[in-house]
Parts: sequence; C-alpha cells; structure tokens
Amino acid sequence: DTAVSQTPKYLVTQMGNDKSIKCEQNLGHDTMYWYKQDSKKFLKIMFSYNNKELIINETVPNRFSPKSPDKAHLNLHINSLELGDSAVYFCASSQDFYTGELFFGEGSRLTVL
Amino acid sequence: AQSVTQLDSQVPVFEEAPVELRCNYSSSVSVYLFWYVQYPNQGLQLLLKYLSGSTLVKGINGFEAEFNKSQTSFHLRKPSVHISDTAEYFCAVIFSSNTGKLIFGQGTTLQVKP
Repeated sequence: DTAVSQTPKYLVTQMGNDKSIKCEQNLGHDTMYWYKQDSKKFLKIMFSYNNKELIINETVPNRFSPKSPDKAHLNLHINSLELGDSAVYFCASSQDFYTGELFFGEGSRLTVL
Repeated sequence: AQSVTQLDSQVPVFEEAPVELRCNYSSSVSVYLFWYVQYPNQGLQLLLKYLSGSTLVKGINGFEAEFNKSQTSFHLRKPSVHISDTAEYFCAVIFSSNTGKLIFGQGTTLQVKP
C-alpha cells in the first residue's frame, strides 16, 4: 500500500493546455508539499499545506494553483502550460511542518510539447 | 543568503571502496540537516538526519554523516559501497529562521562500478 501516491505518473501535453496532478497520502500526516525537479535534478519547493492551510507559497507563476480538499490530498493544477513547465513534480508529506522528514511520492513527469 | 552546496556533481567509486559526499551550507543560524537518496525513477527517501545532540549520525544502509558547525558542513560517508548504492544523493537543510522549509542542494550522483 503506497504511502504517498501521485497520478498520473507521466503526462505529455501541448503548450497552452491545462492539466492537473493528484496526490494522496495514507500516513495520517498533517503537512503536504509540492516540489519541482528540473532537468538538472535540482529540487525546489513550490507549495506546502498544513492541515489544509497554505503555509508556503514560493515565487511560482499564478498559473500554478494547489488545492487541498482534506489533509490527505493535495492536488496541483497548471493553466496555460509552457515549455519551461516540463519537469518532474513530486508530492511529499510530513508528520508536521517542522520535522523535515518528508515522505515522497514517485513523481509525475510532465512533458510540454 | 541561505544556501546548500554539494561540492561534487558526480562521484565515481569502485565497489567496496569508501566514499564521502560533501555538503556545505551558508548560514549563521541554527540548522537541521538531512541527507536524502533518490534511486532511478523513484521519489526521495530519507537516509539520515541531524536535529541536535551527537554530531555523528547514523542512517540506513550503512551511511553516516557528521555535523561540523565550525565548517558548516554535513558530509555523508560509507566505509564500503555496493553497486546498489548507485543513486542521486541530496543534502537538505532547514534553517531555523525559515522553519519547515527544506532547502535542497544540487545533488551528487554516486556511480558505483564493479
């Protein structure tokens, strides 16, 4: 039973389209995150939610909108996709906001053509 | 600025040899330190962490790391590597002034050769 699961695992789409990535964790954690890993494998935090409240919102374009319907789910919606959005997006969760011990999903590879 | 630097982008090593992956951070505030491992096509997994106490911390798979406050370093070591250790290794830091925000280094690719 996967602890942090993301869907879809692969996403290929055209520029200008809108797409969503879903994430679910069954660990009972309070905090969830979205990270972006670029082609050079650099990881950058995008968003973090704690108990459904947005607590980290990095300098990410407004085209990216996270949504947390409950503590176990954190979705990422991207509008008007651009070539530079191509990356692997990782969802992660942690017991609380302070531990730094994150549990990661397997990633969603987004390719924008 | 608060930053994390992994000094080597790639480290090739032969099987059963020792290895050290270097990590430095730039900050005068207190920190929490982590090493994560990413196997091909997988998410990241925590190897070990330093929050407080003994500066030598042991993690999974025989890895250990030592926190050196004066040198602002947290280098990862393993006395004898296996082929299965081939992966990407990330150093990460939480700076106390930015609680909860995990900042990652650029990653080091460990290539273990037979």
